[in-house]
Amino acid sequence: NAGVTQTPKFQVLKTGQSMTLQCAQDMNHEYMSWYRQDPGMGLRLIHYSVGAGITDQGEVPNGYNVSRSTTEDFPLRLLSAAPSQTSVYFCASSTANGGAFFGQGTRLTVV
Amino acid sequence: DAKTTQPPSMDCAEGRAANLPCNHSTISGNEYVYWYRQIHSQGPQYIIHGLKNNETNEMASLIITEDRKSSTLILPHATLRDTAVYYCIVRVFTGGGKLIFGQGTELSVKP
Repeated sequence: NAGVTQTPKFQVLKTGQSMTLQCAQDMNHEYMSWYRQDPGMGLRLIHYSVGAGITDQGEVPNGYNVSRSTTEDFPLRLLSAAPSQTSVYFCASSTANGGAFFGQGTRLTVV
Repeated sequence: DAKTTQPPSMDCAEGRAANLPCNHSTISGNEYVYWYRQIHSQGPQYIIHGLKNNETNEMASLIITEDRKSSTLILPHATLRDTAVYYCIVRVFTGGGKLIFGQGTELSVKP
């Protein structure tokens, strides 16, 4: 049981480039979500999903797209990277009422 | 989801109980209190949750006041490895992955 797996662990992008952060879970959880954490701050919710085919926006959705075609995967797409998107990104999964399990994060730098 | 207020930092001596308070005076009847912690820059770790009864698991105890406007997370015998930022989050029970993080309490356990 791997839990929540995020890839890559580190990434450097140039301004304007696009990329996809991968998130996969093997616990058959309905709920998945993406957060970003800027230095010295708490986590902020970007997008979340309550099941395959269903997604919704969180607190800071601008500049990010998501889709949920399977229960296991919830990729986060940066359409045109900006320096303001330099952050650590965490993916999480959970059941409807249980505690959430988080991945180890993707550290993204946009130059 | 209700807002929470936590002290920004606390110290605790190793081996002693750490009592972390959280104020959630606007909590609704269908909202639960969840606690997470984040060690260094790792992904957050779920600790415990509850509605109105006190809860205990292998990691901690959660004490919720009768009016549910505040709660306390208790680490009964704090160790150096408990040094982390602790987050108190209030959300509806079926809120799944939609977690709204505040600033949390930075707990330092000292030898």
